[in-house]
Amino acid sequence: DVKVTQSSRYLVKRTGEKVFLECVQDMDHENMFWYRQDPGLGLRLIYFSYDVKMKEKGDIPEGYSVSREKKERFSLILESASTNQTSMYLCASSPYRGDANTGELFFGEGSRLTVL
Amino acid sequence: RKEVEQDPGPFNVPEGATVAFNCTYSNSASQSFFWYRQDCRKEPKLLMSVYSSGNEDGRFTAQLNRASQYISLLIRDSKLSDSATYLCVVNIRRGADGLTFGKGTHLIIQP
Repeated sequence: DVKVTQSSRYLVKRTGEKVFLECVQDMDHENMFWYRQDPGLGLRLIYFSYDVKMKEKGDIPEGYSVSREKKERFSLILESASTNQTSMYLCASSPYRGDANTGELFFGEGSRLTVL
Repeated sequence: RKEVEQDPGPFNVPEGATVAFNCTYSNSASQSFFWYRQDCRKEPKLLMSVYSSGNEDGRFTAQLNRASQYISLLIRDSKLSDSATYLCVVNIRRGADGLTFGKGTHLIIQP
């Protein structure tokens, strides 16, 4: 089974702190994604990566950056956390690229971040 | 503006009943369509893809109407374990970065 592991299930940080959310997948997938999920807003794409050292902005990249130094690892970084970044963060991976029927994302269990 | 609309519910349905919900999408160029399931406090998981000809997987049937730009999910003989949030997902382009998620429909199956 594909496994996507997020390093922290629950985090509490203070405004202005730097936050690292780590994600590792064990199925050699090329594609990795970071979403946030908020009540009433659904899942929104923050950043994605189709290859090592490659990154692309999603729909809501402001206030975030990412790092993909190794194929299996995709990190989300909040340079200076703010209260409006309190959310559930979901990492996902998928094995396909450029396929119009690509739809299967394998999600991690999520990291619930609270910024005080 | 990419948009996928779903009735948030909750849909309260007795066990054994048939339930159906729809999802509409605004981008007529959308290329592929999916239903995901998300249990409470869990991650979303792919339930099924939606094909133009309609498709069935056990008690679940998905249909696509491109002319009217909606997707439907039908669940027959509902089980308590079907209680979850169902997310409609539309891909507006070829890569997986084009996946747009609806906000979900919350389904509660009652004994």
